[in-house]
Amino acid sequence: DSGVTQTPKHLITATGQRVTLRCSPRSGDLSVYWYQQSLDQGLQFLIQYYNGEERAKGNILERFSAQQFPDLHSELNLSSLELGDSALYFCASSAYRGAGAYNEQFFGPGTRLTVL
Amino acid sequence: GENVEQHPSTLSVQEGDSAVIKCTYSDSASNYFPWYKQELGKGPQLIIDIRSNVGEKKDQRIAVTLNKTAKHFSLHITETQPEDSAVYFCAASNPAGGFKTIFGAGTRLFVKA
Repeated sequence: DSGVTQTPKHLITATGQRVTLRCSPRSGDLSVYWYQQSLDQGLQFLIQYYNGEERAKGNILERFSAQQFPDLHSELNLSSLELGDSALYFCASSAYRGAGAYNEQFFGPGTRLTVL
Repeated sequence: GENVEQHPSTLSVQEGDSAVIKCTYSDSASNYFPWYKQELGKGPQLIIDIRSNVGEKKDQRIAVTLNKTAKHFSLHITETQPEDSAVYFCAASNPAGGFKTIFGAGTRLFVKA
């Protein structure tokens, strides 16, 4: 168990809908990362937050957005869902060790999103 | 943009044999290289990592090597066991610009008993 929790585990919805995925980082970790993993694909970095602020952005669609709250949990919002958005969505967290320090990420169990 | 290439995409070995997975990265500023193991239905789990000031690191049956000049790093698993069967991902991380980590496409390892 990595200490990172994600809810829900499974989500089934229809095209055009909006969903929210939730992530709680490991105790003490300030950074949260979101990744998308499509069927038999690698991990695509979406976005990173550090202590409530957006730190880095990857290939995140404009229909997707995220935020990190004062208690450090994060939410990924996916709107106007399309069939191709069906995937596993992982959250990871890491501790801040100072500028230029190494970045050990610990992953949650993921949320499986199915868009019908 | 930055990318990480990983080979092979699939690897099948006999129990007890060694397995080697290779990765090449493009961002010369990367200085941290973790390896993750993902079992079916689970999130990736960090199994070993190497930092740019080290050429090799070993942890029991697992070892990683790094060649910064060639921008190449490898995972070596010796005396493979059926429970080693999983998907393995390499990654390269650049602490500048937000600790963005780029993952390889993954290697599906099958260990036959």
